[in-house]
Amino acid sequence: EIVLTQSPGTLSLSPGERATLSCRASQSVSSSYLAWYQQKPGQAPRLLIYGASSRATGIPDRFSGSGSGTDFTLTISRLEPEDFAVYYCQQYGSSPPLFTFGPGTKVDIK
Amino acid sequence: QLQLQESGPGLVKPSETLSLTCTVSGGSISSSSYYWGWIRQPPGKGLEWIGSIYYSGSTYYNPSLKSRVTISVDTSKNQFSLKLSSVTAADTAVYYCARLVAAAGVAAWGQGTLVTVSS
Repeated sequence: EIVLTQSPGTLSLSPGERATLSCRASQSVSSSYLAWYQQKPGQAPRLLIYGASSRATGIPDRFSGSGSGTDFTLTISRLEPEDFAVYYCQQYGSSPPLFTFGPGTKVDIK
Repeated sequence: QLQLQESGPGLVKPSETLSLTCTVSGGSISSSSYYWGWIRQPPGKGLEWIGSIYYSGSTYYNPSLKSRVTISVDTSKNQFSLKLSSVTAADTAVYYCARLVAAAGVAAWGQGTLVTVSS
């Protein structure tokens, strides 16, 4: 069973700054099966990135994903006020077909 | 536009069975290549995948919950359901139903329903 670790746990930044979030897997993950989500208080998560680097429908281009193997990164190029939230990575393992979430990174206002 | 809506009791007693139903509208639950599943989030904590049912009917469960979970589908009603047995306070969470795609993540979520386990 693959375990996902996210770092840092909390990232304190100011609007306009660049945010770099890390997701590390305990064993190699297919890039096709790595996704990122944003969650704000009281809301369901929203899909941002799938296939490690493809933006979901309607996601601004300030959000980008990269990585392969065991190390993946979500980058927010310039933080907007609405980007302060919790971010989760998620992987799909095909044998057996299980879905796993990371513990999350909170991006809060410095 | 695909919509998912959870329904079921908001309060369950310890040792009893939690039962939730997800009603899908705007799309068929029989569509190929989709998993329909449940994800939960304890208050103040992260997301936990509970399990999924594939369009073919095959079910897959989180190993940590497998002995207590059953997910089933009713294609005639375009619904799928979750049963979690022998609940404890640790099962108190917001429960989301969702459509999952292996290579495209979870793009469709229900609004979530809070289930509290308490006597």
